[in-house]
Amino acid sequence: DAKTTQPPSMDCAEGRAANLPCNHSTISGNEYVYWYRQIHSQGPQYIIHGLKNNETNEMASLIITEDRKSSTLILPHATLRDTAVYYCIVRVVHGSSNTGKLIFGQGTTLQVKP
Amino acid sequence: NAGVTQTPKFRVLKTGQSMTLLCAQDMNHEYMYWYRQDPGMGLRLIHYSVGEGTTAKGEVPDGYNVSRLKKQNFLLGLESAAPSQTSVYFCASSWNTEAFFGQGTRLTVV
Repeated sequence: DAKTTQPPSMDCAEGRAANLPCNHSTISGNEYVYWYRQIHSQGPQYIIHGLKNNETNEMASLIITEDRKSSTLILPHATLRDTAVYYCIVRVVHGSSNTGKLIFGQGTTLQVKP
Repeated sequence: NAGVTQTPKFRVLKTGQSMTLLCAQDMNHEYMYWYRQDPGMGLRLIHYSVGEGTTAKGEVPDGYNVSRLKKQNFLLGLESAAPSQTSVYFCASSWNTEAFFGQGTRLTVV
């Protein structure tokens, strides 16, 4: 499983966009990039995932570089409720030879400030 | 639709006691996982299952056993609890897209 590297912490002003970077230089061609977040000590919550195209949903946007070695999660208008630990994970989706394991790193603690 | 349900939510064990944590999912997912999370740390994979009757070791399997006798249930067992197993345990299930997580079991071994 490819490993990811994220900054340990970031701050963002409320109402501004939060851009969370992730490096995954050893990603394989069949590995997707997934983002989860964990608020307080709750179970992690899925945010978004992508393979090579940029993706957007109601929560966030995911920008993946052309060489797929890095990505950025964008929360367009951060609120105080977005304060959480954000995890970037690379994962082989089922249907391939792997198991779809989710291996978590340390994540980025995002603090949204008033 | 309950999603992923973990039982119990809290438990205190004495060193050497045994217990079983139950994870149940109602989404007909093939894959299920058990993680532990220590203070200030990310989640670490203990064991996982790719289908009914199958189990496999994750990153930190020592001291734990698992069983997947029914597709909807994934059990995590501690045969002889140790203080080092004090942690929050999360279960998850998935299929082709995102994984869904339970709310966790806070276990303290004294």
